[in-house]
Amino acid sequence: DIQMAQSPSTLSASVGDRVTITCRASHTVSPWLAWYHQKPGKAPKLLIYKATTLQSGVPSRFSGSGSGTEFTLTISALQPDDFGTYYCQHYKSYPYNFGLGTKLEIK
Amino acid sequence: QVQLVQSGAEVKKPGASVKVSCQASGYRFNVNFIHWIRQAPGQGLEWMGWVNPHSGDTNYDQKFRARVIMTRDTSISTVYMELSRLTSDDTAIYYCARDPMHGDYPFYHFDYWGQGTLVTVSS
Repeated sequence: DIQMAQSPSTLSASVGDRVTITCRASHTVSPWLAWYHQKPGKAPKLLIYKATTLQSGVPSRFSGSGSGTEFTLTISALQPDDFGTYYCQHYKSYPYNFGLGTKLEIK
Repeated sequence: QVQLVQSGAEVKKPGASVKVSCQASGYRFNVNFIHWIRQAPGQGLEWMGWVNPHSGDTNYDQKFRARVIMTRDTSISTVYMELSRLTSDDTAIYYCARDPMHGDYPFYHFDYWGQGTLVTVSS
């Protein structure tokens, strides 16, 4: 199985900050990597797929990069609505594991 | 617009079964695989399996294979997930989620999600 590790596990940042979240896979998964955002009490929302492709309707301040085993989600200028937990997920092969999440708090 | 609407919260006793429904609208139901993903309280996301609404074919994660059944009713654009022999470890929010598909093939990520169904297992 391919395991996904995210860092940091928690993050506190201010509105307007540039924020970076990292996801590392135990084996290469490129480019089959997605990012999701989940607010408390809500279902996750797809942000990025195929490592770098922005899902339709997602603000352009979100971007994805990386290849092989290391990937990054960047929020260029943090907005108040961006709080919550971010998950990466690989879909290289069964089972399609998620990372444990990065909880983003707004200062 | 694409919507996945799930059935309401359930409380079950250990050893019982639960069946959660997910009704799709806003797109051609037969085209996109539907996955089930669960989230235990305060925990991360766990993929359980998928159902192909067109054929009824399924594929389950090995962890659930012995006690999960995913089915569909095309007449009402609804998929179901039934989990048997429940234990307290099955207490979680269960989500259905649509696969965006790559032509006729599943893409194995999830572009639309249901609102979630809380299943509580307690004696």
